[in-house]
Amino acid sequence: DSGVTQTPKHLITATGQRVTLRCSPRSGDLSVYWYQQSLDQGLQFLIHYYNGEERAKGNILERFSAQQFPDLHSELNLSSLELGDSALYFCASSVDRNTEAFFGQGTRLTVV
Amino acid sequence: GQQVMQIPQYQHVQEGEDFTTYCNSSTTLSNIQWYKQRPGGHPVFLIQLVKSGEVKKQKRLTFQFGEAKKNSSLHITATQTTDVGTYFCAGRATYGQNFVFGPGTRLSVLP
Repeated sequence: DSGVTQTPKHLITATGQRVTLRCSPRSGDLSVYWYQQSLDQGLQFLIHYYNGEERAKGNILERFSAQQFPDLHSELNLSSLELGDSALYFCASSVDRNTEAFFGQGTRLTVV
Repeated sequence: GQQVMQIPQYQHVQEGEDFTTYCNSSTTLSNIQWYKQRPGGHPVFLIQLVKSGEVKKQKRLTFQFGEAKKNSSLHITATQTTDVGTYFCAGRATYGQNFVFGPGTRLSVLP
């Protein structure tokens, strides 16, 4: 158990819909990262938050947005969903950007 | 932007054989991390290398950071079936904000 909790574990939704993925980081970790992993692909960095502030953006679509709340949990919002958005979405947390990241179990999103 | 490549993409070995995966960055790195993802699982941190030419060992795993801090390797001696999974390197550029993951090397070990 990495200490990072992601909900839900599985999500099936229709094209055009909007979903919210939730992540609770390890206790004490201020950094939260979101990654997208398509089938048998690598980890595509989406966004990084540190103590509530956005620190870095990767190849995140404009239809996607995220935020980190005062209690440090984070949400990733995906809207106007397309079939190609089907993937495994991982959240990871770390103390800071120089330390190891702990990954959650992921949310498997299926868009039908 | 920064690119991180890994070779090979796939590797099939017989149990007991050695395995090596190589990671190359387009930019000089501040530090590099290695992760392992078992099939159906999530990435798990293995190690971080910071110093030029650094070599670290964890039982049968040996990690190296190149002198120029642009490449790294992971070598597994006498593979076991428990080594099956995808090995990712992740490098942070000297002035970079975040780690960039390589595409990973998927290792299969035949018993």
